[in-house]
Amino acid sequence: GQQLNQSPQSMFIQEGEDVSMNCTSSSIFNTWLWYKQDPGEGPVLLIALYKAGELTSNGRLTAQFGITRKDSFLNISASIPSDVGIYFCAGQRGLWGTYKYIFGTGTRLKVLA
Amino acid sequence: DTEVTQTPKHLVMGMTNKKSLKCEQHMGHRAMYWYKQKAKKPPELMFVYSYEKLSINESVPSRFSPECPNSSLLNLHLHALQPEDSALYLCASSWVDGGELFFGEGSRLTVL
Repeated sequence: GQQLNQSPQSMFIQEGEDVSMNCTSSSIFNTWLWYKQDPGEGPVLLIALYKAGELTSNGRLTAQFGITRKDSFLNISASIPSDVGIYFCAGQRGLWGTYKYIFGTGTRLKVLA
Repeated sequence: DTEVTQTPKHLVMGMTNKKSLKCEQHMGHRAMYWYKQKAKKPPELMFVYSYEKLSINESVPSRFSPECPNSSLLNLHLHALQPEDSALYLCASSWVDGGELFFGEGSRLTVL
């Protein structure tokens, strides 16, 4: 199935550092969502974005809906060990009642204490 | 309450067995989804229900049979599965006009 390109694929960072990741597509999306998934668990919604150019924060997380509507960005400030996990973007597209949420390939984050 | 509940959490079945995965939400959402996730891969959409009617089937093999008996419940009936069907099966729900998508914790399926 269709996937969104997410980068970087994985990253090791020191505790306290800031992290940036992005998600790009050749298609336009109506909504962008960002998730964190721990092993064996379901994805947990972090941030939802609804308008091009929108910038939204949730604690140490900040995400932006790209102006072209084909990309989105997630920043994590002052990382801590519990930030370890896989981060997925998801784009929503389609018609009312038949929306699809397409997921990015994921960014695996490892934090070194 | 943003909870989606899935049962069972783990399921082991043989290739000739019939089993079902269950999902429940009480957020008033009228769109419900089944996703399949293999290890180290993103979730892949299988089915979408809108107002209890199947609106999207992503060319899923017929050995997977979804059912939406009411606005809160979603089932996935499994029959004659293959070992390659082993995966984490995720249920999710949202408003019909889109927006936030909430996931359950998943059902880990192993087919022997």
